[in-house]
Amino acid sequence: GAVVSQHPSRVICKSGTSVKIECRSLDFQATTMFWYRQFPKKSLMLMATSNEGSKATYEQGVEKDKFLINHASLTLSTLTVTSAHPEDSSFYICSARDNSRTSTDTQYFGPGTRLTVL
Amino acid sequence: LAKTTQPISMDSYEGQEVNITCSHNNIATNDYITWYQQFPSQGPRFIIQGYKTKVTNEVASLFIPADRKSSTLSLPRVSLSDTAVYYCLVGDGSGNTGKLIFGQGTTLQVKP
Repeated sequence: GAVVSQHPSRVICKSGTSVKIECRSLDFQATTMFWYRQFPKKSLMLMATSNEGSKATYEQGVEKDKFLINHASLTLSTLTVTSAHPEDSSFYICSARDNSRTSTDTQYFGPGTRLTVL
Repeated sequence: LAKTTQPISMDSYEGQEVNITCSHNNIATNDYITWYQQFPSQGPRFIIQGYKTKVTNEVASLFIPADRKSSTLSLPRVSLSDTAVYYCLVGDGSGNTGKLIFGQGTTLQVKP
């Protein structure tokens, strides 16, 4: 149980294009999902909290118009990197919080998406 | 936000027990302590979670003293495949937002 998937696993795009990354909780419902990015040899950096049916909450310094988040159902959140540039190249990881265990802050992570912007 | 402090790196040999200690002096009353394992180019994998005393599962044990200001992840008889980064996390303590802020983690290198 507690499986989170991401699609695509890796993507290469040209500068200026937009890229959408999907995060799905496969066997549980998640009112709340989280998006992180990770640079080589660094820790995960929380970008935003995705709330089902409402607007995402962004961490300080993260541009909401640059990283569009949509959480339309209890099992799906999407992150769209708009007008991507080479500096957006990174490893993007999502996590989902199991609704049935809200008292324990348990998050389950997806396998990550490697974005390369040329 | 609750913060955690862990050793940056540790070395061990196959078959040894490894203990990684994490400090979280400002842990809030309603925070749980969760440990994750991450391999390169993969998402973190849940290892174990606890609130107090001792928790054991099929892969690890977690020891939490009464004051909860620290915790120790114990990996019995490590193998080469346990080489990874280990993260200790606590809740943000601000009331069930679920946010987890990652620290630097501990890079464990298991040698043959």
